[in-house]
Amino acid sequence: SAVISQKPSRDICQRGTSLTIQCQVDSQVTMMFWYRQQPGQSLTLIATANQGSEATYESGFVIDKFPISRPNLTFSTLTVSNMSPEDSSIYLCSVGGYGGGGYTFGSGTRLTVV
Amino acid sequence: EDQVTQSPEALRLQEGESSSLNCSYTVSGLRGLFWYRQDPGKGPEFLFTLYSAGEEKEKERLKATLTKKESFLHITAPKPEDSATYLCAVPTQAGTALIFGKGTTLSVSS
Repeated sequence: SAVISQKPSRDICQRGTSLTIQCQVDSQVTMMFWYRQQPGQSLTLIATANQGSEATYESGFVIDKFPISRPNLTFSTLTVSNMSPEDSSIYLCSVGGYGGGGYTFGSGTRLTVV
Repeated sequence: EDQVTQSPEALRLQEGESSSLNCSYTVSGLRGLFWYRQDPGKGPEFLFTLYSAGEEKEKERLKATLTKKESFLHITAPKPEDSATYLCAVPTQAGTALIFGKGTTLSVSS
């Protein structure tokens, strides 16, 4: 299964600023997924990122708030824009699908907005 | 709307005390059910995928089973290192990403 390097692992940011999270995969993948895990909650899908096309956002998430780039088949970024304390969460990227290895997740970015 | 519900939310066991975690799902056509383990401060780690009712998979002290309405994760003679949050998930209707339950946080004490 793929290996994902996600960074930063954690950050503390001021409200009103933006943070860009990077995910690097050790193999080429068609789709990459971005999830949010709020404190004490499970994972919620933010968007699906395909190389060469606009990301597809889930209900409740918009491109202006969470712009995503997917410049090639091994890399993606998620930006959390104009942050507020409600954006404090763990953000995770994921690749994969069906089959023996399932979906693989990065180690996550723990974001605290103050 | 596809939905995944896990119970209990938290489970405390003594070392060696076997138990089961439940994952019930409501989906329009099951395309697989996934179990993950998540340790604090880490991303979920893949455990099993089950595709059809009656299917079972095992890994060390864990066994996952699937019926038409729910899945169970059986933990036999757990050890403290089995302490973690266990998540189950099903694919979205688009069949790409995953919908997760809220998880069961397991604590095993020696």
